[in-house]
Amino acid sequence: GAVVSQHPSWVICKSGTSVKIECRSLDFQATTMFWYRQFPKQSLMLMATSNEGSKATYEQGVEKDKFLINHASLTLSTLTVTSAHPEDSSFYICSAGRQGDTEAFFGQGTRLTVV
Amino acid sequence: AQSVTQLGSHVSVSEGALVLLRCNYSSSVPPYLFWYVQYPNQGLQLLLKYTSAATLVKGINGFEAEFKKSETSFHLTKPSAHMSDAAEYFCAVSQGGAAGNKLTFGGGTRVLVKP
Repeated sequence: GAVVSQHPSWVICKSGTSVKIECRSLDFQATTMFWYRQFPKQSLMLMATSNEGSKATYEQGVEKDKFLINHASLTLSTLTVTSAHPEDSSFYICSAGRQGDTEAFFGQGTRLTVV
Repeated sequence: AQSVTQLGSHVSVSEGALVLLRCNYSSSVPPYLFWYVQYPNQGLQLLLKYTSAATLVKGINGFEAEFKKSETSFHLTKPSAHMSDAAEYFCAVSQGGAAGNKLTFGGGTRVLVKP
């Protein structure tokens, strides 16, 4: 149990276009989902916390209008990178929290390359 | 506020030798502590976690870690390294409870296993 699926695994897009990444909890209801960004050979940095039915909470320095987060249901959160630029190229990872559990469950990650 | 420091961004060990990865944390409340492993272009896999129970925690793949409050440390060890242990390892801290599963990660330690 406690499986989180992230889609797509990798995506290449042109500068100026938008890309949507999905994060789904397959076998549990995730009241909270988190989005992280990881640059090559670096650690994970929290971008935002996504709560079902409410606005996401963004970490300092993360552009809300560029990284749109929607948590429309208890099993799905999406991250949309708008007007992507090459500097947005990175590995994006989501995790989901299950009520009463101390562990966060991670998706497989999405490698975004903007050309 | 919470933070994690991993000493040594790279560790090289011989196959069969002890693996020791160091992690120190700071937290304003009793922490939950985690060790994750990441293989290239993949998400994170939980190795073990400390959630205020036993201070010596055993995880998967022969790894264990000891929580030492006086030293604010949570070092990860494995008695005998295998080639398959070559990966990136992340120590993370959360405050649990109402803060949910929001994690703060250390910088990561890349483990190289020599035959």
